[in-house]
Amino acid sequence: GQNIDQPTEMTATEGAIVQINCTYQTSGFNGLFWYQQHAGEAPTFLSYNVLDGLEEKGRFSSFLSRSKGYSYLLLKELQMKDSASYLCAVKGDNYGQNFVFGPGTRLSVLP
Amino acid sequence: DVKVTQSSRYLVKRTGEKVFLECVQDMDHENMFWYRQDPGLGLRLIYFSYDVKMKEKGDIPEGYSVSREKKERFSLILESASTNQTSMYLCASTSGGGVKTQYFGPGTRLLVL
Repeated sequence: GQNIDQPTEMTATEGAIVQINCTYQTSGFNGLFWYQQHAGEAPTFLSYNVLDGLEEKGRFSSFLSRSKGYSYLLLKELQMKDSASYLCAVKGDNYGQNFVFGPGTRLSVLP
Repeated sequence: DVKVTQSSRYLVKRTGEKVFLECVQDMDHENMFWYRQDPGLGLRLIYFSYDVKMKEKGDIPEGYSVSREKKERFSLILESASTNQTSMYLCASTSGGGVKTQYFGPGTRLLVL
């Protein structure tokens, strides 16, 4: 079967650093995506990892370990506008365009 | 700028009604997807289409059908709506070939009474 796990909720303080973990078990692997979704809005693309290691993009970084089936999203210098759900998604290889999504992590940034 | 639009943001329907949800993308993308999003379950794939008139079942196709008569438009049909189909429905598209992110529409929140 295919399964992606993420913590349901996290809370952090403005200006802090937070790490959102994602573990996955999928029948194939062609990359891992992180999306941000504000309440009532569409998910928007944040990052993509297909090789092991860290990808940095401004305040956001994403890490992947394929051997461990593990990724994390690191958010630095948290801002109130970072309060959102963060979705981890794996692109499998059975259909070539099939994405498997985790349940999402709701992050609340407090002042 | 990339754009995926959905016909309605909110819909209220009665049990047994036929419901049409429409999605249009202006990026000339080959692949289009319909997901439903429920709390604690994440996005679950209902159907996807990789070309005009082509469709593939996703993880939860029961109770749904789709139509793709034109490249830019992908419709989701609930033949006879039921209360357990109350959900947020998200459409997405991506171009063919390689690994590409999906672009999502704003979603349709459907309530079936």
